[in-house]
Amino acid sequence: GQQLNQSPQSMFIQEGEDVSMNCTSSSIFNTWLWYKQDPGEGPVLLIALYKAGELTSNGRLTAQFGITRKDSFLNISASIPSDVGIYFCAGQDSNTGKLIFGQGTTLQVKP
Amino acid sequence: KAGVTQTPRYLIKTRGQQVTLSCSPISGHRSVSWYQQTPGQGLQFLFEYFSETQRNKGNFPGRFSGRQFSNSRSEMNVSTLELGDSALYLCASSVRGFADTGELFFGEGSRLTVL
Repeated sequence: GQQLNQSPQSMFIQEGEDVSMNCTSSSIFNTWLWYKQDPGEGPVLLIALYKAGELTSNGRLTAQFGITRKDSFLNISASIPSDVGIYFCAGQDSNTGKLIFGQGTTLQVKP
Repeated sequence: KAGVTQTPRYLIKTRGQQVTLSCSPISGHRSVSWYQQTPGQGLQFLFEYFSETQRNKGNFPGRFSGRQFSNSRSEMNVSTLELGDSALYLCASSVRGFADTGELFFGEGSRLTVL
């Protein structure tokens, strides 16, 4: 079945540092989304990307939809302690519309 | 606007038992999806319901089933529980589901522990 490879699996960084994570797929997706899950909560949508090559920002977050439609990255600038959590990428299958999620990147920020 | 509500939040069962989890979507949302979350596996898609019909299904055994009621509330059932079924089960709602933009609104999950 379809799989998304998300990397890195985990990151431990110093407050103020920039963070970068990415997702790759063997399949083409129409939509790429990035979600964040805080401890004890359900995932919440951060950024949605709908066009190949699209670059979108949401505050300190920037995400891009790869030109091949098989990858996406998320950057977080000047990290703060509340950025801690699990970040998931998700691709929307172009045929079924089903969302496929990556395994997640666990981010820890040291004050 | 009330969010997605899942009950119960925590439960403990033993092998062989069955469990039913409930999800109330955001008002006006007709699609409900269910995901299983385990460490290292991310979010694995179980199924999606739209207007009381199962529209998409993931690769889980038949022990996992679900349904949706006319008020869009959904339940999922796991029969003959196994140790490997221990996980956080997340429900997500959206207006039109997978025919839509892909934005899902998740509940806080039901954490199932099988002993």
